[in-house]
This record gives sequence, C-alpha cells and structure tokens, in this order.
Amino acid sequence: DGGITQSPKYLFRKEGQNVTLSCEQNLNHDAMYWYRQDPGQGLRLIYYSQIVNDFQKGDIAEGYSVSREKKESFPLTVTSAQKNPTAFYLCASSLGGGLSPEAFFGQGTRLTVV
Amino acid sequence: AQKVTQAQTEISVVEKEDVTLDCVYETRDTTYYLFWYKQPPSGELVFLIRRNSFDEQNEISGRYSWNFQKSTSSFNFTITASQVVDSAVYFCALSEEGNRDDKIIFGKGTRLHILP
Repeated sequence: DGGITQSPKYLFRKEGQNVTLSCEQNLNHDAMYWYRQDPGQGLRLIYYSQIVNDFQKGDIAEGYSVSREKKESFPLTVTSAQKNPTAFYLCASSLGGGLSPEAFFGQGTRLTVV
Repeated sequence: AQKVTQAQTEISVVEKEDVTLDCVYETRDTTYYLFWYKQPPSGELVFLIRRNSFDEQNEISGRYSWNFQKSTSSFNFTITASQVVDSAVYFCALSEEGNRDDKIIFGKGTRLHILP
C-alpha cells in the first residue's frame, strides 16, 4: 500500500532527552513536511523539505532538527531545547514543484514529556 | 505573507441540518492553491479538495460543496444534510505557487459536532 508511515504512534520522553520521530513515504513524493498540532492552535509548520539533502525552517523550528538523506525519509528530532514538546506531530508529503500541491498525511505521533 | 483564518472555532448542529464552514485567506500571490482537510478523531488528516486561484467554479461532491470567491478571498465549505460521521475538525489551507517552496499553511481549524 502506498502511503505515509509515522512511528511510533505514542511516545513518552523524559525532560532533557532528545527524541526522534520517524516518517517514511513510498509515494515517490519530493516534498515532505512536519507539523505540530496543539489544542486550539491548528497545524503549525516546523520544517519542510522540497528535495533530498535540502530543508527549510517553518514557523516554529526552534528546538527541532531534521534531515533528508533519502527521498523516502524525513525524521524529526525534538531536542532538549524545545521547551514545550508535548504535542501531536504530523508528517506529510506532496509531489511538490506545483505539480500536485496537496499534501497527504501520516497518522501522527503523540509525544508526551514525563 | 500568507494567512488562513477560520473564524469559527466550534460549531454544533443537529443531524440533517446544513452547515457552512468559513475560510478567509490572505496572499500576495496571483497563483495559489486552496485546500480543505478533514481530521476525524483518529487524528490523520484526510484531503478533501484542492482549488487553484484560476478556477472559481463551485464544486459539489455528494453532500459536500465548496464556494470559492476571489473577490472576498473566501473558500467556504458546506455540508448538506449533515450526518454524525461528519463530526470532525476541518482545516482550510493555502499554498502559494509563486514562492516555489511548496509551503502549505493551515488555518486553526473548525471543530464540527453533528448531534444525533
């Protein structure tokens, strides 16, 4: 099945620890995105990537890092510098390049800091 | 800068009523795309529709219809004869082609409750 896979679905982290959220897609999409969702805040863009080995900061990149070494993968690391990391994280991908700009989403990872 | 406003935070209607979700956007680009997504309780966002800035025709898909008006920068979504399964959070989103950066910006969403 083609789609976007995020893992794990639920993640618990101790304060001060870094944690990496996985996002894999087999849709052959060039563009990939990470969004954070908090109650009442909608979706806020953390990072996005239009092509392998390139990515740009979104609106709330502080405390996060990403890599795009492979077309299929766009992992997000939540670092200890992120002061309020508890949230629902959504990964998405699109064909990009204005070809078919709609994004398709994974099922999300709910991160809780304990 | 691009911006999407969904002024309705939460709406409740009784099943079978019609309901319209509002979306107002801001962009300096002449070429852009607008989207609607549905987020059921499971959390995954489901793509519903895309509209580009050159296509102002309204669209109907079953009980769903979309009204795109460039003059008022609005892209409203109407559900006719609502059903309990329509209960979800609905997001409007915008992507500017001119930036060539594939960035997609979302509104804060409208939580829709369909009461049986």
